[in-house]
Amino acid sequence: GESVGLHLPTLSVQEGDNSIINCAYSNSASDYFIWYKQESGKGPQFIIDIRSNMDKRQGQRVTVLLNKTVKHLSLQIAATQPGDSAVYFCAENKGAYGNKLVFGAGTILRVKS
Amino acid sequence: SQTIHQWPATLVQPVGSPLSLECTVEGTSNPNLYWYRQAAGRGLQLLFYSVGIGQISSEVPQNLSASRPQDRQFILSSKKLLLSDSGFYLCAWSPNRDGELFFGEGSRLTVL
Repeated sequence: GESVGLHLPTLSVQEGDNSIINCAYSNSASDYFIWYKQESGKGPQFIIDIRSNMDKRQGQRVTVLLNKTVKHLSLQIAATQPGDSAVYFCAENKGAYGNKLVFGAGTILRVKS
Repeated sequence: SQTIHQWPATLVQPVGSPLSLECTVEGTSNPNLYWYRQAAGRGLQLLFYSVGIGQISSEVPQNLSASRPQDRQFILSSKKLLLSDSGFYLCAWSPNRDGELFFGEGSRLTVL
């Protein structure tokens, strides 16, 4: 069935290093992807999105890469900080009416000081 | 600016009791509204979404229901809770079909 999943359930990085969180999707017709950050006990917060007509998009300290050939999405965080510690979800928009975001299982990012 | 409010933040309910979680959005009109559930250590599962008043689409069979009595109000209900209904419930809204979702702070439900 269609799904969005993450390769690495837990990622530990040293403060100041770059982080890369990966995501695979199975529906080649999906045209919109979002990365969310969720801190403990809170709702997910939008980080960055990308449409299928792009292969790269940059934000503040974050970059999302989309490889449609292999159906792979990644989130790169530059100079990772302790405040980046959270669970990161990729989501795929599959809706015919409104947004129907399908979320992956999530990756825990732990930043070591 | 737009805001989303969700309550209660936490609740503990016995098996078989009813449930009502409420969500309201301010600062926008005709939003798309969503209820998600997140089991401990898991991803988000879409339960219901609504594109307008009285229009509810259910994603998974369950003993939960949703209603949208007003444009910016979304309610999640159950007549009789099950143990498996425990989880973190998130309300969200989006301004359009392909835009990002904005989430509330969540309601943590424990069914005992």
